[in-house]
Amino acid sequence: QSALTQAASVSGSPGQSITISCTGTSSDVGGYKYVSWYQQHPGKAPKLIIYEVNNRPSGVPDRFSGSKSGNTASLTISGLQAEDEADYYCSSYTTSSTVVFGGGTRLAVL
Amino acid sequence: QVQLQESGPGLVKPSQTLSLTCTVSGGSISSNDYFWSWIRQPPGKGLEWIGYIYYRGTTFYNPSLKSRVTISVDTSKNQLSLKLSSVTAADTAVFYCARMSTVTLDFDIWGRGTLVTVSS
Repeated sequence: QSALTQAASVSGSPGQSITISCTGTSSDVGGYKYVSWYQQHPGKAPKLIIYEVNNRPSGVPDRFSGSKSGNTASLTISGLQAEDEADYYCSSYTTSSTVVFGGGTRLAVL
Repeated sequence: QVQLQESGPGLVKPSQTLSLTCTVSGGSISSNDYFWSWIRQPPGKGLEWIGYIYYRGTTFYNPSLKSRVTISVDTSKNQLSLKLSSVTAADTAVFYCARMSTVTLDFDIWGRGTLVTVSS
């Protein structure tokens, strides 16, 4: 299985909105609603911020939102804050009952 | 609150078998609602899913690692284990255990991770 495709980096200014895309295939992203997103700060474990494409776990700010169209899922962060600077990973369940991650996107808040 | 804690040797020699344990506290590994997973992250690189197990023993592995990986559970100790054989320097990584919902198929709780270095 191949990793999902994410841009290596993205940047934005405080208060702005950014979108991170995650492209897979019909065997993963396009085939299921089981797309999730994770935020990882340096030296820390990843944290779930979006599950089932567009649902936020309790405690995750509503500035974080997710969507999907075809084989591409997206994470949007609105009202960027300095604390949002981190690495972001998408993940999808697959038709083989396995899991695949994206390569990760580093967000810089300038 | 459920917590996960990885443990095991921080240094493994090439060609040997890497063995790690994840202890689950604050909840039962025998829950019908969760799979239990291993995920790794080489230094400076992205996340790689290794595999997951249901408490009754059903396992699913990353095809690229399947020939070298064994994941098991010990319900009496509330632990899951990972064995990765024939390791090389490319297997150097932070290894995480994570809880995976059987309903939403996401990793909602993670351990802090443990760094394993493969070197002679």
